[in-house]
Amino acid sequence: AQSVAQPEDQVNVAEGNPLTVKCTYSVSGNPYLFWYVQYPNRGLQFLLKYITGDNLVKGSYGFEAEFNKSQTSFHLKKPSALVSDSALYFCAVRDSGGYQKVTFGTGTKLQVIP
Amino acid sequence: DAGVTQSPTHLIKTRGQHVTLRCSPISGHKSVSWYQQVLGQGPQFIFQYYEKEERGRGNFPDRFSARQFPNYSSELNVNALLLGDSALYLCASSLIGGRADEQYFGPGTRLTVT
Repeated sequence: AQSVAQPEDQVNVAEGNPLTVKCTYSVSGNPYLFWYVQYPNRGLQFLLKYITGDNLVKGSYGFEAEFNKSQTSFHLKKPSALVSDSALYFCAVRDSGGYQKVTFGTGTKLQVIP
Repeated sequence: DAGVTQSPTHLIKTRGQHVTLRCSPISGHKSVSWYQQVLGQGPQFIFQYYEKEERGRGNFPDRFSARQFPNYSSELNVNALLLGDSALYLCASSLIGGRADEQYFGPGTRLTVT
């Protein structure tokens, strides 16, 4: 069974500082990994994905994520946080096997402090 | 282009009743997935449809059913509502529902069961 863990319920960071939101995964085959962001009372928005290739993936709004196969991690990063980045962030995984299920983590609330 | 649309926005039902939620995907997208998001948790996968066929089903009881129409819109039906069915129901569309496809989410339908 595939699973995703987001170990931090909340991450606080000062505006202008780098941010990291952590994600680890477990799948039986090769992983397809995604990050989504959810603003209050809104649906989820796609940020970026890792399918194969370069371990550093760049996405929307200046976000990037680093895939580490040995540590089964896919941490979300941004060099300089903005107040407008404050939101709920979800990591998701889909394995390369036959089942089409997408599994989401429990989410990490990012609070950027002015 | 219009994004994923869902109706209704909010819904209040009584235990034992039936509910139908509707979703229209982004133009050109042929796959629709449904998720249940309980407050404080990540979205839980319910169904995926592609070309009117069910391609995946999550761990939900048979009270939950769905279908996809020739225009790729979709309905989620829930029978014999329970208090625990209260949640935000999200619809997501993708091009073909492939494992590498990112999903585009609608704003959701907030269902309250009293």
